[in-house]
Order: sequence, then structure tokens, then C-alpha cells
Amino acid sequence: KAGVTQTPRYLIKTRGQQVTLSCSPISGHRSVSWYQQTPGQGLQFLFEYFSETQRNKGNFPGRFSGRQFSNSRSEMNVSTLELGDSALYLCASSFDGTHKYGYTFGSGTRLTVV
Amino acid sequence: ELKVEQNPLFLSMQEGKNYTIYCNYSTTSDRLYWYRQDPGKSLESLFVLLSNGAVKQEGRLMASLDTKARLSTLHITAAVHDLSATYFCAVEKTSGSRLTFGEGTQLTVNP
Repeated sequence: KAGVTQTPRYLIKTRGQQVTLSCSPISGHRSVSWYQQTPGQGLQFLFEYFSETQRNKGNFPGRFSGRQFSNSRSEMNVSTLELGDSALYLCASSFDGTHKYGYTFGSGTRLTVV
Repeated sequence: ELKVEQNPLFLSMQEGKNYTIYCNYSTTSDRLYWYRQDPGKSLESLFVLLSNGAVKQEGRLMASLDTKARLSTLHITAAVHDLSATYFCAVEKTSGSRLTFGEGTQLTVNP
């Protein structure tokens, strides 16, 4: 069965631009979470969507936003990019966002802001 | 605020040796996860620990959970080079479907 698919894999953007990242969860999974991974801050939770509703949000500025579609695919958007937004962005897929089925991570999108 | 601390952060060991990675967390939590990450790659799920006293084993890795001590351990038995990776523990509370990760332990197994 197909895993969690994130696109694109790599992205280079200029400061001030905006970017949209995509995550397609495992078929049948309804929860998608997003994490940012940087060498300095480690892995940090951005937000989680379940059935098109944001259920939880981390401590990131409003420049970071997301949404989920009826087919459970999710997108996250970062506006007015800053150099510090350079990171590996991971999404995690879960059947219902609980422990019972765990979380499966995608391969990530590596964003470089120059 | 939930905090998760791992130690050591860096571990260099010889093949065939045993070692333990520790994961401490600050508040009561419901689930603890262990993940492995290879350089430039995503997170691979290793174990999910759901209750006090839970112990799970897969190959040369064994994880345990002590909720009273707020401590989980990942024990490596007779290490082999293929185990070289970064290992993360992550804790989840029922109040939200979010994982709080430790800093990661970078393990290098030398021949």
C-alpha cells in the first residue's frame, strides 16, 4: 500500500516569497500533522488536521498556515519566507490521529530559503 | 509545557557492544514513541509504548516505559553498523494529537 507522499521533495525560494507544500496521506487515513525539523530547534509540531478541520496548532507565527481537503490531502503554506524557515518539513499520517494506529511520516520536503 | 529530554545526544560505540538511550519527559503522558532517522531521510517508526511497564523488542532493539518515573529506555544489544542513525523519542498527550520530540540521539556504530 502506498505510503505518505510529500511533494515537492526539494524547494529553493527567495526571502519574501511564499511556498505551498503538499502531503497525501495513506489511503483511508484522515489525520495529517505537519512538523518542522531544523538543526537548531529539532522537530517541532506545526498543526494537525482531521476531516478538514484544524484540531491542534503549534507555536508558529501566522505566516504558517494549512488546510485539508475532502480527500484528506493537506497543504501547508508559508508566506513572506524568512531565512530561518529553511528546514525539512515532514507530514505524518494517522487513521484518526490517535495512538491506536500510530503515525507514519512522509519523506519530507526540504525547503531552502536564500 | 511538556518537555522531552534524551541522553546521550551523541553515542559512538563498537560493534558487538550493548548500550542504552534514555528518554525523560516532564509531565504525565499517554503514549511514547521511538523513531529512527537516517541522514536526509524521514522518520521510521520503531516502537509505540502505551502503558506503564510496556516492553517491546524488535531485533537488537528493546524499548521500555516507566510512566511513574516518566522514563523510557531504548536498549541496543550487540550493536551492528546498520544501527547507525539518529533515534528520537516522542511523547503524546491525549489533549492533542501532537508529538513532542526529544533532541535525538546520534548513534554511530564502529566496526
